Amino acid sequence: QSVLTQPPSASGTPGQRVTISCSGSSSNIGSHTVNWYQQLPGTAPKLLIYSNNQRPSGVPDRFSGSKSGTSASLAISGLQSEDEADYYCEAWDDSLNGVVFGGGTKLTVL
Amino acid sequence: EVQLVESGGGLVKPGGSLRLSCAASGFTFSNAWMSWVRQAPGKGLEWVGRIKSKTDGGTTDYAAPVKGRFTISRDDSKNTLYLQMNSLKTEDTAVYYCSRTYYDILTGYSYPGVYDYWGQGTLVTVSS
Repeated sequence: QSVLTQPPSASGTPGQRVTISCSGSSSNIGSHTVNWYQQLPGTAPKLLIYSNNQRPSGVPDRFSGSKSGTSASLAISGLQSEDEADYYCEAWDDSLNGVVFGGGTKLTVL
Repeated sequence: EVQLVESGGGLVKPGGSLRLSCAASGFTFSNAWMSWVRQAPGKGLEWVGRIKSKTDGGTTDYAAPVKGRFTISRDDSKNTLYLQMNSLKTEDTAVYYCSRTYYDILTGYSYPGVYDYWGQGTLVTVSS
């Protein structure tokens, strides 16, 4: 059972907009910024969004993040087949004094 | 080009020990906070722990499941991060990734929990 809650799966067709949610509590998302990672099959995770809504250099602007209260979300617009991957949210947790990840969401492009 | 290369994984019996290494290049290793994250087969990501730069105290923090059994250390002269794992359990079986914490080179500020570079991972299997 992960501290941050994500839907186990999501799907969309090419060109669509998809949103992945991440729910936490006052000790993590409510107090700290949220980061998102993309993990393509068989590869290491890649930083996608940091500090709630910042994109590292090289990440397409199709990817965006937001946070409100104790929840956050990742939006992917103009869905492409290469977006098929696992997505993880992550934040610092004051109660655990450590980093916590969501359980991950497997995105399927139909 | 930033590179992180883990090594040292393998098969070990329950109760045994293993030391992982992560060789870093392409950046000023001594300035970076470094972390270990693991992923059990078919499962999600799990934070193992971190070590701050010596400038920021060089302190370590660990996840509850590994505290007291795992030790993270660094050798800045060798640009290498280590993870000493003792009293291994079957539930420690996972791919172990080392990762760099993103820091602003202009201000020197490290962004806790923001991992901008990852190694390819090394598999640790704990089984009798």
